Amino acid sequence: DIQMTQSPSSLSASVGDRVTITCRASQSITNYLNWYQQRPGRAPTLLIYAASSLQSGVPSRFSGSGSATDFTLTISSLQPEDFAIYYCQQSYTIPWTFGQGTKVEVK
Amino acid sequence: DVQLVQSGAEVKKPGESLKISCKGSGFDFTNYWIGWVRQMPGKGLEWMGIIYPRDSDTRYSPSFQGQVTISADNSISTAFLQWSSLRASDTAMYYCARSPSLVVATRNIFDIWGQGTMVTVSS
Repeated sequence: DIQMTQSPSSLSASVGDRVTITCRASQSITNYLNWYQQRPGRAPTLLIYAASSLQSGVPSRFSGSGSATDFTLTISSLQPEDFAIYYCQQSYTIPWTFGQGTKVEVK
Repeated sequence: DVQLVQSGAEVKKPGESLKISCKGSGFDFTNYWIGWVRQMPGKGLEWMGIIYPRDSDTRYSPSFQGQVTISADNSISTAFLQWSSLRASDTAMYYCARSPSLVVATRNIFDIWGQGTMVTVSS
């Protein structure tokens, strides 16, 4: 299985802050990298697909970049509704695997 | 509305069997893959497997192969996840999710998720 490692595991930030989360794959996954947000008690939702494409309906403050093994999710100006857990996922090969998650908390 | 609606929470005893469901609406169920994802209490997401309802092509994670069975019934646009003998370690939230593809980067995604089914296994 391809291992996905996110960093940090958690971070504290304030509304308006720029937040960056990184995700590293154990082997090249080209651009088969997706980002999901999970709010407490809710199902995950898709934010970014194919490393850098914004899912329809997702605010433009979210952006993704990277290729091969190293990827980044950036929130340009954190909003109150963005405090959540973020997961990266590779869909290059089965089984698709998720990172362990990054919890974004209120500072 | 495009949605996946899952069956309700279950409380079972170890050794019992269980089948939970995921019903699609608002889209052509036979044109999408339906996957299952486990989330144990306080933990992250684990990809279990995926099925293409049109021909029942099913792929499993090695971690879940032999532990669960994924199936689908096109006539009612529903996918299923079942256990023949539950263990306490199966206690988790289970999500179904839709994927348009398994082979195209821009479409190998879970774009629609069910609300989740909580399964509790306890004696």
